[in-house]
Amino acid sequence: DGGITQSPKYLFRKEGQNVTLSCEQNLNHDAMYWYRQDPGQGLRLIYYSQIVNDFQKGDIAEGYSVSREKKESFPLTVTSAQKNPTAFYLCASSRTPNTEAFFGQGTRLTVV
Amino acid sequence: DAKTTQPNSMESNEEEPVHLPCNHSTISGTDYIHWYRQLPSQGPEYVIHGLTSNVNNRMASLAIAEDRKSSTLILHRATLRDAAVYYCILSTIVCMEYGNKLVFGAGTILRVKS
Repeated sequence: DGGITQSPKYLFRKEGQNVTLSCEQNLNHDAMYWYRQDPGQGLRLIYYSQIVNDFQKGDIAEGYSVSREKKESFPLTVTSAQKNPTAFYLCASSRTPNTEAFFGQGTRLTVV
Repeated sequence: DAKTTQPNSMESNEEEPVHLPCNHSTISGTDYIHWYRQLPSQGPEYVIHGLTSNVNNRMASLAIAEDRKSSTLILHRATLRDAAVYYCILSTIVCMEYGNKLVFGAGTILRVKS
């Protein structure tokens, strides 16, 4: 089945460690996005990519990094520079701008 | 970025229509209006989107004001499964090279009573 897959569903990280969240889609979508959601809040855009080998910072990019080496994959690294990384992370993709975006089921990251 | 304003929460009875309002007074001519909904601990689900004309699909209808400064999502017969957070979003064209991005607000919590 076509879709967008995030892994793992739950992730625990020690303070000071980098961690990478996976996002894969087999929908042949050009655009991919990463969002962060805190409890009771809306989604905030971290990074987005409209095409392979190109990506742009969103509203809260500090402490995060991404790569887009393949059309299907858009991994997000949460670095030790991110001061408050505990949150729910959501990846999305869309075929073109202004078309329906498909979201993954999210990764819940907890710093212990 | 153009902003949207939605009520924090709304309540509806099952089997009755629901009208979810959204104000977007700073919308630009190229911004599309999108609606998504989210259940707890899940990713958002697309509901509907439009530019100027009213839109209908199997899930809902979208009524867009003539001046485009507001819109209303209409669920024709609410069910318990429609209880969720509903987000009204403007799809903002950053530039032709970088495409668009979806900027989410806090959304409206819809409660459906049986």
